Amino acid sequence: AAGVIQSPRHLIKEKRETATLKCYPIPRHDTVYWYQQGPGQDPQFLISFYEKMQSDKGSIPDRFSAQQFSDYHSELNMSSLELGDSALYFCASRQIGGLNTEAFFGQGTRLTVV
Amino acid sequence: AQSVAQPEDQVNVAEGNPLTVKCTYSVSGNPYLFWYVQYPNRGLQFLLKYITGDNLVKGSYGFEAEFNKSQTSFHLKKPSALVSDSALYFCAVRDPGTGRRALTFGSGTRLQVQP
Repeated sequence: AAGVIQSPRHLIKEKRETATLKCYPIPRHDTVYWYQQGPGQDPQFLISFYEKMQSDKGSIPDRFSAQQFSDYHSELNMSSLELGDSALYFCASRQIGGLNTEAFFGQGTRLTVV
Repeated sequence: AQSVAQPEDQVNVAEGNPLTVKCTYSVSGNPYLFWYVQYPNRGLQFLLKYITGDNLVKGSYGFEAEFNKSQTSFHLKKPSALVSDSALYFCAVRDPGTGRRALTFGSGTRLQVQP
C-alpha cells in the first residue's frame, strides 16, 4: 500500500540558509500535518492543511511557512535557519471521515543545520 | 487543552514476559486515543486506537490497550514481549471537543526487551 512520501530524507544546511521539505500524502488523503521532533523529544505539531487550506496551527516559527498544493502535496519552507532547527520533520496524512481516523506518518526528513 | 503524560522514560522487560507502557491523558471531552511506535531513524507507525466501544482495544503485532475513563489512562500492553518490540512508543490524543485535528503526543517511552 502507498505510504506518505517525504523528500529529501536527509538535508544539511548552513545557518541563515533556507530549506524546503516536501510531503506527498497517501492517495485520497485530504489532510496533511507537519511535526518537528528534536533529539530525544516527542513530535511537536507545527501546522496542518485540509483541502489546501490551513486548518490548524501549532508551534510553527514565523520563519517557517507551508502550503498544500492542488495535488495535495505539501511543502514546508524554512528560512533563516538556526542551529536549533536541526530535527526530524515528519509529515502525516489523514482522510477526513471524522476525527476518529488515524494519521499515517512518513519516514521523516532529517534536517541538520551547521 | 489536550495533553498526554507518559510517566516512564524507559521500560525494561525480559523476552516472553508481559509488558505495560503507561499513558494518561487530559482532555475536555471524550478522547480519541492512539499508540504509535517509532524504530530508530524511522517514522511513526500506527499501532492501535480507541474511539468508542469496548475498553480493550487490539492492535498490530499483538499489542492491546485498555481505556480506563475513571483513571484517564490508556496503557499499552502485550502478553509476551519480543526482542523486536524494542522501540520508542508514543501515546497520542485528539480531543474531538476542541475540533482540533492534530494529535498531541506524549514524551515517549523507550521499551527495551532483553533476550
